[in-house]
Amino acid sequence: KAGVTQTPRYLIKTRGQQVTLSCSPISGHRSVSWYQQTPGQGLQFLFEYFSETQRNKGNFPGRFSGRQFSNSRSEMNVSTLELGDSALYLCASSLGDRGPMNTEAFFGQGTRLTVV
Amino acid sequence: GNSVTQMEGPVTLSEEAFLTINCTYTATGYPSLFWYVQYPGEGLQLLLKATKADDKGSNKGFEATYRKETTSFHLEKGSVQVSDSAVYFCALNIPRSGNTGKLIFGQGTTLQVKP
Repeated sequence: KAGVTQTPRYLIKTRGQQVTLSCSPISGHRSVSWYQQTPGQGLQFLFEYFSETQRNKGNFPGRFSGRQFSNSRSEMNVSTLELGDSALYLCASSLGDRGPMNTEAFFGQGTRLTVV
Repeated sequence: GNSVTQMEGPVTLSEEAFLTINCTYTATGYPSLFWYVQYPGEGLQLLLKATKADDKGSNKGFEATYRKETTSFHLEKGSVQVSDSAVYFCALNIPRSGNTGKLIFGQGTTLQVKP
């Protein structure tokens, strides 16, 4: 069974640009969540998509957005990049049902974004 | 609000030593608890989980017991190996709630095992 796939693995962007990151979840998983990992702030929740709808959102500015397609693949977009957006962006997939046995999340290897 | 607190690292041990990484939580509702491990340059791997009080999660020699009375989920291993060197994260989510898909993480504990 293939795991969670994130592309690209590494990105270098210039301040002010925008970027799109992609995540393909495990087959059959309908929930995709995104996290930002930085040395200073640790792992912070960005948002979750379930069946093409944003189900939950963290405390990030509107420059961070996402979407989910009918095949459960998800993209995350960051516009007007700032130096502080440099981070490892992790995607996690899960079955998405609310029961405790179905909330186990599996992570991709992440996309390392560097803003210069 | 919901939160997770882990012991600060780094933790440095000799091979075959006993490991404990403390984790306590604050949560409304009935959280599920997880330990994730992150190796250098990698994403997070689920190490073990527990979904209700007194459950014991175990995997690869690691164990953790969900203690509701002390709101804790401490990670233990009887004999660590150099290959266990990594960053360990304690996390929770709240099933059957509006925050089902949201994992709340502790700050992570770096473990370094020396030969």
